[in-house]
Amino acid sequence: QKEVEQDPGPLSVPEGAIVSLNCTYSNSAFQYFMWYRQYSRKGPELLMYTYSSGNKEDGRFTAQVDKSSKYISLFIRDSQPSDSATYLCAMSAEKTSYDKVIFGPGTSLSVIP
Amino acid sequence: DAGVIQSPRHEVTEMGQEVTLRCKPISGHNSLFWYRQTMMRGLELLIYFNNNVPIDDSGMPEDRFSAKMPNASFSTLKIQPSEPRDSAVYFCASRRLAGGPYEQFFGPGTRLTVL
Repeated sequence: QKEVEQDPGPLSVPEGAIVSLNCTYSNSAFQYFMWYRQYSRKGPELLMYTYSSGNKEDGRFTAQVDKSSKYISLFIRDSQPSDSATYLCAMSAEKTSYDKVIFGPGTSLSVIP
Repeated sequence: DAGVIQSPRHEVTEMGQEVTLRCKPISGHNSLFWYRQTMMRGLELLIYFNNNVPIDDSGMPEDRFSAKMPNASFSTLKIQPSEPRDSAVYFCASRRLAGGPYEQFFGPGTRLTVL
């Protein structure tokens, strides 16, 4: 079993739809949960992060963490064509400076005008 | 403020040739990471350095791969000899050790094609 699993998609939605992206993980030591957005032929860029459990909202984006289920989600409200990208979840225990960030494989999202 | 700089952006080479990828981390960042991304395997960590010292190279696929960080502002990833299965996008990323894991910034990547 991989440490972090994510449905690769592709996911195609009409403009204005609510998008739900999800990841599951197996390592209960993970404390930091991040979402990266990667446009075609670009490097990943941090979208938002959450520490431990709970929700975090930033504009149209909401990140949720459920540590009891080892499940995280990213919701995008009022999706726009500019949201078309690959979204990678990433996690880290960060208990020492030697802890690595583990990335999910990414979900490809297309928002159709 | 300049981000992570990688060169070259594209590299096409023939099997058996030596390939050297270069990275300049963000000034003040003392942790540097080399990743490889493919459709099949996603984003894989190859090696990372803290304060120019290699910490974990368990992701380096074979002895054909080597990485160095001679100073705080420069790192190289070398593949010798290259093989077609090395074709991928290679990313360099950096962060401050004192910061959080969310402070990892990626470069634009080097797209490597080995014929």
